[in-house]
Amino acid sequence: GEDVEQSLFLSVREGDSSVINCTYTDSSSTYLYWYKQEPGAGLQLLTYIFSNMDMKQDQRLTVLLNKKDKHLSLRIADTQTGDSAIYFCAESINNAGNMLTFGGGTRLMVKP
Amino acid sequence: NAGVMQNPRHLVRRRGQEARLRCSPMKGHSHVYWYRQLPEEGLKFMVYLQKENIIDESGMPKERFSAEFPKEGPSILRIQQVVRGDSAAYFCATKEGQVGANVLTFGAGSRLTVL
Repeated sequence: GEDVEQSLFLSVREGDSSVINCTYTDSSSTYLYWYKQEPGAGLQLLTYIFSNMDMKQDQRLTVLLNKKDKHLSLRIADTQTGDSAIYFCAESINNAGNMLTFGGGTRLMVKP
Repeated sequence: NAGVMQNPRHLVRRRGQEARLRCSPMKGHSHVYWYRQLPEEGLKFMVYLQKENIIDESGMPKERFSAEFPKEGPSILRIQQVVRGDSAAYFCATKEGQVGANVLTFGAGSRLTVL
C-alpha cells in the first residue's frame, strides 16, 4: 500500500541548513516530489526526482533519495526566514492516474 | 497565464446546505485532480478527471460528494448536505498530459467551513 511519513516539526536558525526527511513504502514509486505550502496558500512545487536518481541539486535545494531504504530528504542550505512554511513530500506511482500521495507535512520554523 | 484558479476562496455553509467549489485549470491543461486537506493534515486524493470523464474517484466519499469537468467551463466539486466534518481546504491541481514527471500545478484552495 501507499504510505508517506514525515516528522511534524523542524526548527532551525537563520543561515543554518535544514534537512527535512520523508519515508515511503511503495517501491514502485516513479517520481518523488517536494512541495512548499505557505500559510493560507496552495502548494508550490519545489523540486522532484526520478526514482532512478539518487541526488538532485537546484540552487539552495538538495534532494537525496535512498531507494533501498525508501528514504527521501530535502536539504535547504543557508535557510532564510522566508523558508518558514510546511513542506510536503509526495510520491507518484506509474498507474493510470498518476495521482500523488502526500505525507502529512513538516512545519519548518526559521528563527532569526 | 493566470494559473489554476479556484473559487470561492472561502465558503461558509450551515449543516445540510450544499457547497459548490470551482476550479479553472491552467490554459492547455486537461487533467484535473481534487485533493482535500483537513486541518493540520496532509492532502488526500479525492478524484481525477479529464474533460467530461471521471478517471479515478477512489478517494471520493461514497455519498454526498460528486465532481464533474464539463466540456466547457470549470471543474466543479459538489458537496450535498454538508456536515461539520466536511470543513477543510479543497485543492484543485491540474496538468497538461500524461507524459513524463507528474508535475501538478495547484490552485490556492477553497476553504470550506461548516457551521
